Amino acid sequence: EVQLVESGGVVVQPGGSLRLSCAASGFTFDDYTMHWVRQAPGKGLEWVSLINWGGDNTYYADSVKGRFTISRDNSKNSLYLQMNSLRTEDTALYYCAKSAYTSGWSAIDYWGQGTLVTVSS
Amino acid sequence: DIQMTQSPSSLSASVGDTVTITCRASQGISNFLAWYQQKPGKVPKLLIYAASTLQSGVPSRFSGSGSGTDFTLTISSLQPEDVATYYCQKYNSAPRTFGGGTKVEIK
Repeated sequence: EVQLVESGGVVVQPGGSLRLSCAASGFTFDDYTMHWVRQAPGKGLEWVSLINWGGDNTYYADSVKGRFTISRDNSKNSLYLQMNSLRTEDTALYYCAKSAYTSGWSAIDYWGQGTLVTVSS
Repeated sequence: DIQMTQSPSSLSASVGDTVTITCRASQGISNFLAWYQQKPGKVPKLLIYAASTLQSGVPSRFSGSGSGTDFTLTISSLQPEDVATYYCQKYNSAPRTFGGGTKVEIK
């Protein structure tokens, strides 16, 4: 059974930093592109970032480019999101998500339960 | 970047009705489009990928069509358990933009 378990969400002040983690199990982690997707309270889904299976290709939404860094450790079956220069508009539930197929160009078939990041003074 | 526009933003229909949701891409994306269902308080669920391929386990009353810039999600015979917000997402390239969502309620 595929499981994605996020952690690291807390309340942080504007301008602060945070690192989210996602522990993956139930599939061959290093075969799949992984994503972070966020959802602000009462709002829609916003794709944040992706990283390919090997970790050498990464992409970001314009809203986080230059502030967030996605990474992975395939030896630990773990995905990370380093978040710097946080803004109030980064407040959201952050989901770790798995691509459906080993091809990079595929939909998302599994989502974690999310970890809540609140940016507030 | 390619924008994804969904319409309507919300709708109310009766049980048994056919419901159609539209997603439009600002540039062609071939068939690299997925539809997700998010029930209140729950995690999104993949319904359809490659514009028209039903994900395993999804009821056959859900169907998708389209290619290029215009796509539709159809729910034939709406059921009470279909109350949810539906999102489209492009995945031909980054950013993997989602549409704004369509909230479906029962009349």
